[in-house]
Amino acid sequence: EDQVTQSPEALRLQEGESSSLNCSYTVSGLRGLFWYRQDPGKGPEFLFTLYSAGEEKEKERLKATLTKKESFLHITAPKPEDSATYLCAVQAASGGSYIPTFGRGTSLIVHP
Amino acid sequence: DGGITQSPKYLFRKEGQNVTLSCEQNLNHDAMYWYRQDPGQGLRLIYYSQIVNDFQKGDIAEGYSVSREKKESFPLTVTSAQKNPTAFYLCASNDRAGRNQPQHFGDGTRLSIL
Repeated sequence: EDQVTQSPEALRLQEGESSSLNCSYTVSGLRGLFWYRQDPGKGPEFLFTLYSAGEEKEKERLKATLTKKESFLHITAPKPEDSATYLCAVQAASGGSYIPTFGRGTSLIVHP
Repeated sequence: DGGITQSPKYLFRKEGQNVTLSCEQNLNHDAMYWYRQDPGQGLRLIYYSQIVNDFQKGDIAEGYSVSREKKESFPLTVTSAQKNPTAFYLCASNDRAGRNQPQHFGDGTRLSIL
Protein backbone atom coordinates (compact mmCIF):
# COMPACT_ATOMS: atom_id res chain seq x y z
CA GLU A 1 0.00 0.00 0.00
CA ASP A 2 1.30 3.43 -0.95
CA GLN A 3 2.10 5.64 2.03
CA VAL A 4 2.99 9.31 2.36
CA THR A 5 4.09 10.88 5.64
CA GLN A 6 4.69 14.59 6.04
CA SER A 7 6.62 16.19 8.87
CA PRO A 8 6.41 18.24 10.90
CA GLU A 9 2.63 18.55 11.24
CA ALA A 10 3.00 22.21 12.09
CA LEU A 11 5.88 24.67 11.82
CA ARG A 12 6.20 28.20 13.11
CA LEU A 13 8.95 30.40 11.71
CA GLN A 14 10.02 33.97 12.09
CA GLU A 15 10.14 35.99 8.90
CA GLY A 16 13.48 35.31 7.23
CA GLU A 17 14.11 32.05 9.11
CA SER A 18 14.75 29.37 6.50
CA SER A 19 13.60 25.78 7.03
CA SER A 20 12.53 22.57 5.28
CA LEU A 21 9.38 20.46 5.14
CA ASN A 22 9.68 16.71 4.67
CA CYS A 23 7.60 14.24 2.66
CA SER A 24 8.56 10.57 3.09
CA TYR A 25 6.96 8.05 0.79
CA THR A 26 6.65 4.32 0.19
CA VAL A 27 5.36 3.43 -3.24
CA SER A 28 6.07 0.84 -5.86
CA GLY A 29 7.01 2.51 -9.09
CA LEU A 30 6.94 6.25 -8.45
CA ARG A 31 5.46 8.12 -11.37
CA GLY A 32 5.51 11.58 -9.88
CA LEU A 33 5.62 13.51 -6.61
CA PHE A 34 3.56 16.67 -6.35
CA TRP A 35 3.70 19.61 -3.94
CA TYR A 36 0.68 21.81 -3.37
CA ARG A 37 -0.04 24.89 -1.29
CA GLN A 38 -3.44 25.24 0.39
CA ASP A 39 -4.74 28.44 1.95
CA PRO A 40 -7.55 28.29 4.55
CA GLY A 41 -10.95 27.73 2.92
CA LYS A 42 -9.42 27.25 -0.52
CA GLY A 43 -8.49 24.33 -2.74
CA PRO A 44 -4.88 23.18 -3.10
CA GLU A 45 -2.77 25.10 -5.59
CA PHE A 46 -0.18 23.17 -7.59
CA LEU A 47 3.46 24.09 -6.97
CA PHE A 48 5.83 21.44 -8.34
CA THR A 49 6.09 18.01 -9.92
CA LEU A 50 9.21 15.89 -9.40
CA TYR A 51 9.68 12.71 -11.40
CA SER A 52 13.04 11.19 -10.52
CA ALA A 53 15.63 11.12 -7.74
CA GLY A 54 18.02 14.04 -7.91
CA GLU A 55 15.54 16.35 -9.56
CA GLU A 56 15.07 19.87 -8.17
CA LYS A 57 12.52 22.60 -8.92
CA GLU A 58 12.48 26.22 -7.75
CA LYS A 59 9.89 28.94 -7.55
CA GLU A 60 10.60 32.19 -5.74
CA ARG A 61 11.49 31.27 -2.14
CA LEU A 62 10.57 27.59 -2.57
CA LYS A 63 12.80 24.75 -3.72
CA ALA A 64 11.68 21.13 -3.96
CA THR A 65 14.08 18.20 -4.06
CA LEU A 66 13.57 14.45 -4.46
CA THR A 67 15.41 11.33 -3.36
CA LYS A 68 14.33 7.70 -3.66
CA LYS A 69 12.61 7.83 -0.27
CA GLU A 70 11.66 11.42 0.41
CA SER A 71 11.17 14.93 -0.85
CA PHE A 72 12.00 18.21 0.81
CA LEU A 73 10.40 21.58 0.33
CA HIS A 74 12.97 24.17 1.31
CA ILE A 75 11.71 27.64 2.18
CA THR A 76 14.37 30.34 2.04
CA ALA A 77 13.85 33.59 3.95
CA PRO A 78 10.08 33.06 4.28
CA LYS A 79 7.59 35.91 4.42
CA PRO A 80 4.22 35.97 6.23
CA GLU A 81 2.46 35.42 2.88
CA ASP A 82 4.11 31.99 2.71
CA SER A 83 1.87 30.90 5.59
CA ALA A 84 -0.30 28.02 4.36
CA THR A 85 -0.65 24.25 4.52
CA TYR A 86 1.73 22.44 2.19
CA LEU A 87 0.56 19.10 0.81
CA CYS A 88 2.60 16.36 -0.77
CA ALA A 89 1.15 13.67 -3.03
CA VAL A 90 2.71 10.71 -4.81
CA GLN A 91 1.51 8.95 -7.89
CA ALA A 92 2.39 5.35 -8.62
CA ALA A 93 1.43 3.09 -11.46
CA SER A 94 -0.50 0.76 -9.15
CA GLY A 95 -3.30 -0.96 -11.04
CA GLY A 96 -3.05 1.54 -13.87
CA SER A 97 -5.33 4.08 -12.21
CA TYR A 98 -2.67 6.71 -11.41
CA ILE A 99 -4.62 7.92 -8.38
CA PRO A 100 -2.36 10.04 -6.15
CA THR A 101 -1.92 9.38 -2.43
CA PHE A 102 -1.82 12.53 -0.30
CA GLY A 103 -0.01 13.21 2.95
CA ARG A 104 -1.75 15.03 5.79
CA GLY A 105 0.14 18.25 5.15
CA THR A 106 2.38 20.61 7.07
CA SER A 107 0.80 23.77 8.43
CA LEU A 108 3.31 26.62 8.14
CA ILE A 109 2.93 29.91 9.98
CA VAL A 110 5.45 32.67 9.34
CA HIS A 111 5.45 35.46 11.91
CA PRO A 112 6.45 39.00 10.90
CA ASP B 1 -9.51 31.82 -17.56
CA GLY B 2 -9.78 28.05 -17.35
CA GLY B 3 -10.47 26.39 -14.06
CA ILE B 4 -12.74 24.38 -11.82
CA THR B 5 -15.87 25.90 -10.32
CA GLN B 6 -17.48 24.36 -7.26
CA SER B 7 -20.82 25.49 -5.92
CA PRO B 8 -22.20 26.33 -3.51
CA LYS B 9 -19.35 27.48 -1.27
CA TYR B 10 -21.37 26.62 1.85
CA LEU B 11 -24.15 24.05 2.15
CA PHE B 12 -26.32 22.92 5.01
CA ARG B 13 -28.05 19.55 5.18
CA LYS B 14 -31.00 18.54 7.24
CA GLU B 15 -31.40 15.05 8.65
CA GLY B 16 -32.61 12.59 6.02
CA GLN B 17 -31.92 14.95 3.16
CA ASN B 18 -29.83 14.34 0.04
CA VAL B 19 -27.75 17.26 -1.19
CA THR B 20 -25.81 17.71 -4.43
CA LEU B 21 -22.50 19.51 -4.81
CA SER B 22 -21.68 20.92 -8.21
CA CYS B 23 -18.33 20.71 -9.99
CA GLU B 24 -17.73 22.17 -13.45
CA GLN B 25 -14.41 22.42 -15.32
CA ASN B 26 -13.51 24.19 -18.57
CA LEU B 27 -9.99 22.75 -18.81
CA ASN B 28 -11.04 19.99 -21.22
CA HIS B 29 -9.68 17.44 -18.75
CA ASP B 30 -10.61 13.77 -19.05
CA ALA B 31 -10.36 12.81 -15.40
CA MET B 32 -12.28 14.26 -12.47
CA TYR B 33 -12.18 13.47 -8.76
CA TRP B 34 -14.02 14.12 -5.52
CA TYR B 35 -12.16 14.33 -2.22
CA ARG B 36 -13.23 14.83 1.35
CA GLN B 37 -10.98 16.81 3.71
CA ASP B 38 -11.37 16.69 7.48
CA PRO B 39 -9.24 18.66 9.97
CA GLY B 40 -5.87 17.00 10.51
CA GLN B 41 -6.45 14.42 7.80
CA GLY B 42 -5.22 14.17 4.27
CA LEU B 43 -7.44 14.22 1.23
CA ARG B 44 -9.55 11.09 1.03
CA LEU B 45 -10.84 9.96 -2.35
CA ILE B 46 -14.61 9.50 -2.67
CA TYR B 47 -15.13 8.85 -6.39
CA TYR B 48 -13.25 9.42 -9.61
CA SER B 49 -14.03 9.35 -13.30
CA GLN B 50 -11.56 8.95 -16.12
CA ILE B 51 -14.05 9.21 -18.95
CA VAL B 52 -17.62 10.29 -19.59
CA ASN B 53 -20.28 7.79 -18.45
CA ASP B 54 -17.79 5.88 -16.32
CA PHE B 55 -16.73 6.34 -12.69
CA GLN B 56 -15.06 4.33 -9.94
CA LYS B 57 -15.40 4.19 -6.16
CA GLY B 58 -12.60 5.60 -4.09
CA ASP B 59 -11.66 4.77 -0.52
CA ILE B 60 -14.75 6.25 1.17
CA ALA B 61 -17.61 5.96 -1.37
CA GLU B 62 -20.29 4.73 1.03
CA GLY B 63 -23.10 7.27 1.39
CA TYR B 64 -22.13 9.17 -1.75
CA SER B 65 -23.10 8.95 -5.42
CA VAL B 66 -21.88 10.62 -8.62
CA SER B 67 -22.66 10.91 -12.31
CA ARG B 68 -20.54 11.84 -15.32
CA GLU B 69 -22.91 12.61 -18.18
CA LYS B 70 -20.77 15.41 -19.60
CA LYS B 71 -17.00 15.85 -19.76
CA GLU B 72 -17.24 19.21 -18.01
CA SER B 73 -19.42 18.16 -15.08
CA PHE B 74 -19.04 15.73 -12.16
CA PRO B 75 -21.70 16.36 -9.49
CA LEU B 76 -21.52 14.65 -6.09
CA THR B 77 -24.63 13.69 -4.12
CA VAL B 78 -24.29 13.26 -0.38
CA THR B 79 -27.10 10.91 0.57
CA SER B 80 -28.89 10.48 3.87
CA ALA B 81 -26.92 7.24 4.27
CA GLN B 82 -23.78 9.30 4.95
CA LYS B 83 -24.08 9.74 8.70
CA ASN B 84 -21.15 12.09 9.17
CA PRO B 85 -21.19 14.41 6.15
CA THR B 86 -19.73 17.51 7.81
CA ALA B 87 -16.48 18.18 5.93
CA PHE B 88 -14.77 20.25 3.24
CA TYR B 89 -15.35 18.71 -0.21
CA LEU B 90 -12.88 19.26 -3.03
CA CYS B 91 -13.28 18.55 -6.72
CA ALA B 92 -10.22 18.09 -8.93
CA SER B 93 -9.36 17.28 -12.52
CA ASN B 94 -6.38 16.42 -14.65
CA ASP B 95 -5.50 15.51 -18.20
CA ARG B 96 -4.61 12.27 -19.98
CA ALA B 97 -6.41 10.13 -17.43
CA GLY B 98 -4.05 11.42 -14.74
CA ARG B 99 -0.83 9.91 -16.00
CA ASN B 100 2.05 11.84 -14.43
CA GLN B 101 -0.17 14.91 -14.24
CA PRO B 102 -0.84 17.14 -11.24
CA GLN B 103 -4.44 17.78 -10.30
CA HIS B 104 -6.21 21.13 -10.54
CA PHE B 105 -8.57 21.84 -7.68
CA GLY B 106 -11.68 23.91 -7.16
CA ASP B 107 -12.12 26.08 -4.07
CA GLY B 108 -14.29 23.58 -2.28
CA THR B 109 -17.73 23.28 -0.71
CA ARG B 110 -18.09 23.26 3.05
CA LEU B 111 -20.98 21.02 4.10
CA SER B 112 -22.53 21.20 7.55
CA ILE B 113 -25.48 19.52 9.25
CA LEU B 114 -28.35 21.68 10.52
